[in-house]
Amino acid sequence: DVKVTQSSRYLVKRTGEKVFLECVQDMDHENMFWYRQDPGLGLRLIYFSYDVKMKEKGDIPEGYSVSREKKERFSLILESASTNQTSMYLCASSPPQNSGNTIYFGEGSWLTVV
Amino acid sequence: QKEVEQNSGPLSVPEGAIASLNCTYSDRGSQSFFWYRQYSGKSPELIMFIYSNGDKEDGRFTAQLNKASQYVSLLIRDSQPSDSATYLCAVNPSGMGRRALTFGSGTRLQVQP
Repeated sequence: DVKVTQSSRYLVKRTGEKVFLECVQDMDHENMFWYRQDPGLGLRLIYFSYDVKMKEKGDIPEGYSVSREKKERFSLILESASTNQTSMYLCASSPPQNSGNTIYFGEGSWLTVV
Repeated sequence: QKEVEQNSGPLSVPEGAIASLNCTYSDRGSQSFFWYRQYSGKSPELIMFIYSNGDKEDGRFTAQLNKASQYVSLLIRDSQPSDSATYLCAVNPSGMGRRALTFGSGTRLQVQP
């Protein structure tokens, strides 16, 4: 089974803090993604990466950055957390595009910014 | 217009009935379509995917795709209370280098015992 692990499940941070959300996958997948999910808005893509050190902006990259130094690890960084970044963050991975792009999600990280 | 649209629900069906969940998409070049189930407080899990027009069956689940109408649906036969969840439709958009799925907002299904 594909396993995508998000190490921090529940976090409470103060406005202005720097926040790191870590994600590790064990299936040697090329593609990794960060989504956030909010009631009524569904899942929105923040960033994705298709190779080590490669990244592309998704639909809502403002206020976020990412790092992919190793194939199995994809980190989401909030440089200066704000209350409107309170959300559930979902990491996902997938094999190459010609495999149909099925993506597999981690368990989610619930972030509250106060 | 949203890229992937779903009725938010809730869709309420009695136990044993057929639940029909619908999704429309705007990108006519989309090639692959996915249904995910998400229980409250949990992450989405893949139920089915479909690439070709027509029906695809897997147990109690049937996905239906009509590319001409830009419409994809999920039928759940013999609905059970354990099927109560939010169902997310996702589409793989066309375009070079686009590897990420675009999701609808989900339809909440309630199966009444």
